[in-house]
Amino acid sequence: EVQLVESGGGLVQPGRSLRLSCTASGFTFGDYAMSWVRQAPGKGLEWVGFIRSKAYGGTTEYAASVKGRFTISRDDSKSIAYLQMNSLKTEDTGVYYCTRENYPYHFDYWGQGTLVTVSS
Amino acid sequence: QSALTQPASVSGSPGQSITISCTGTSSDVGAYNYVSWYQQHPGKAPKLMIYDVSHRPSGVSNRFSGSKSGNTASLTISWLQAEDEADYYCTSYSTTSTRVFGGGTKVTVL
Repeated sequence: EVQLVESGGGLVQPGRSLRLSCTASGFTFGDYAMSWVRQAPGKGLEWVGFIRSKAYGGTTEYAASVKGRFTISRDDSKSIAYLQMNSLKTEDTGVYYCTRENYPYHFDYWGQGTLVTVSS
Repeated sequence: QSALTQPASVSGSPGQSITISCTGTSSDVGAYNYVSWYQQHPGKAPKLMIYDVSHRPSGVSNRFSGSKSGNTASLTISWLQAEDEADYYCTSYSTTSTRVFGGGTKVTVL
């Protein structure tokens, strides 16, 4: 059974950093791209970014709203994807979901989400 | 990258059919057949309902169907049931290798 479990959320002050983790199980993690999607309280879904599998270079793409501040990485030996968030803003507050991206370009499995609150 | 445009709400009675539209541009919805749809119940993670415009994952009811014409994709729910009441989001791959979501549509079963 495919499972994605996010961790690392919490309360953080504006301008500070936070790292989220997504621990995967039930599939060959290294074979898949992984995406992060967030949802502000009471709002819709927003794609944050993704990381390709090593077979496709392990490169990343980001939404304009987070480019330069957020970094996605992966450790295939541990089946974990990371979202490093720097220079956090109040508008980054929301639930962050880890998703498995199946080819081509759809999110077939989602974690339960982890809440990030950016506030002073 | 602007969000795809969806109606804020759609409603229907049990047994009826409803259609949710998702309008993008020639750089996303119109450029590829990579539109997918997600259902989200309150407090829950989204669930994949349709991918590649019209394909249903295993386990998704055949009451859900998708289509596309030009820059607009659509999700149709036939024989509407109470359990279909949820938020629905479309998303598309874009020419910049990013993904873009629609603003979401709240489906109400009357």
